Amino acid sequence: DAGVIQSPRHEVTEMGQEVTLRCKPISGHDYLFWYRQTMMRGLELLIYFNNNVPIDDSGMPEDRFSAKMPNASFSTLKIQPSEPRDSAVYFCASSLGTGVNQPQHFGDGTRLSIL
Amino acid sequence: GENVEQHPSTLSVQEGDSAVIKCTYSDSASNYFPWYKQELGKRPQLIIDIRSNVGEKKDQRIAVTLNKTAKHFSLHITETQPEDSAVYFCAAPRWPGANNLFFGTGTRLTVIP
Repeated sequence: DAGVIQSPRHEVTEMGQEVTLRCKPISGHDYLFWYRQTMMRGLELLIYFNNNVPIDDSGMPEDRFSAKMPNASFSTLKIQPSEPRDSAVYFCASSLGTGVNQPQHFGDGTRLSIL
Repeated sequence: GENVEQHPSTLSVQEGDSAVIKCTYSDSASNYFPWYKQELGKRPQLIIDIRSNVGEKKDQRIAVTLNKTAKHFSLHITETQPEDSAVYFCAAPRWPGANNLFFGTGTRLTVIP
């Protein structure tokens, strides 16, 4: 099993640019989560999907952030326009949907720096 | 929804000593409590979890205990080694049975050789 795959691993861009982060969940996992991690705020849940449908996006900081999951094997998190305060590590995680309280498996993250 | 508080924020121990990290939760109906370890620059990884129908679970040098009455659960690491140095996060479901988790603020454990 390849695990959760995220790309790119690192992204450096200037403020105002559009940023797209990508995630491939573990095959067969029905849940996909996007997190943001910073020193100040810790690990924050931004949005999560169940069977490709967004369930809770209350953690998305503002309208500049959007996420999609067009199919079971791919999701994107987009920031447009980007701002320096968006600099963080963004993690994608997935879990099985059968049963309750399934462990979440994290990808290696995308370290985003907005200049 | 759930709220989880984690203490201490930093912890230093001598190699070979034990380390204990404690988390409290607010929703008495919460039923699943995982612990994640995050090494520097790496992803969080599940190291152990416990469900509310048991009071303790062990896996080699790590154990988790759960006190449902007091609404707290703890991670115990015995015979600590330098490779145990990392940030440890506790978590609980945002509501009972939910797959989305609320994470604690993390404990930075340093094991001094």
